[in-house]
Amino acid sequence: AQSVAQPEDQVNVAEGNPLTVKCTYSVSGNPYLFWYVQYPNRGLQFLLKYITGDNLVKGSYGFEAEFNKSQTSFHLKKPSALVSDSALYFCAVRDMRSSNTGKLIFGQGTTLQVKP
Amino acid sequence: GAVVSQHPSRVICKSGTSVKIECRSLDFQATTMFWYRQFPKQSLMLMATSNEGSKATYEQGVEKDKFLINHASLTLSTLTVTSAHPEDSSFYICSARSSRQGSGNTIYFGEGSWLTVV
Repeated sequence: AQSVAQPEDQVNVAEGNPLTVKCTYSVSGNPYLFWYVQYPNRGLQFLLKYITGDNLVKGSYGFEAEFNKSQTSFHLKKPSALVSDSALYFCAVRDMRSSNTGKLIFGQGTTLQVKP
Repeated sequence: GAVVSQHPSRVICKSGTSVKIECRSLDFQATTMFWYRQFPKQSLMLMATSNEGSKATYEQGVEKDKFLINHASLTLSTLTVTSAHPEDSSFYICSARSSRQGSGNTIYFGEGSWLTVV
């Protein structure tokens, strides 16, 4: 079965410290992976994606993610966290069972709390 | 990046009435849009896939007669919650995939619509 797991409900980090939000996936074939951020009462904003190519993907607002095929992971990282990064983060994978390329399977979300 | 607009952002309706939410792709065409429902502090639940010019494809457990979806043009999909009840109160989000060259299969989301049924 295809799935995405975000094992942490919440991640707490001090401002200026590096942050990691974990994501693992289970799909058949090569995965298309995405990270989105959601601020309170807002829609989802696209951060970055991995389709093919370099395993280290750089995205918006200084975020990056590393695709690790052997560990089936796609952890989101940032070298120095900002208080404004506090939000809900979703990892997603394209549903490969669907011929439609827009259907995503989401993780349960991880709340990132950056404290000053 | 591509922009997806939802309207209204917030709506309050009386129980038993119907309410329509619009999802527009502002600077690209989208043959397919998706409607999600999200409960507070939870993940997104896909409700249906909206296909331009044809019937929507509903996920298991979603009542097609209650959540009417119309995708009349390449830039507009609408979700109508019919005979709304308080349990339909939720945050509804749409998304669309840009087929524009260079967008690389990125799926863009609207800002969401808060529905409160009283």
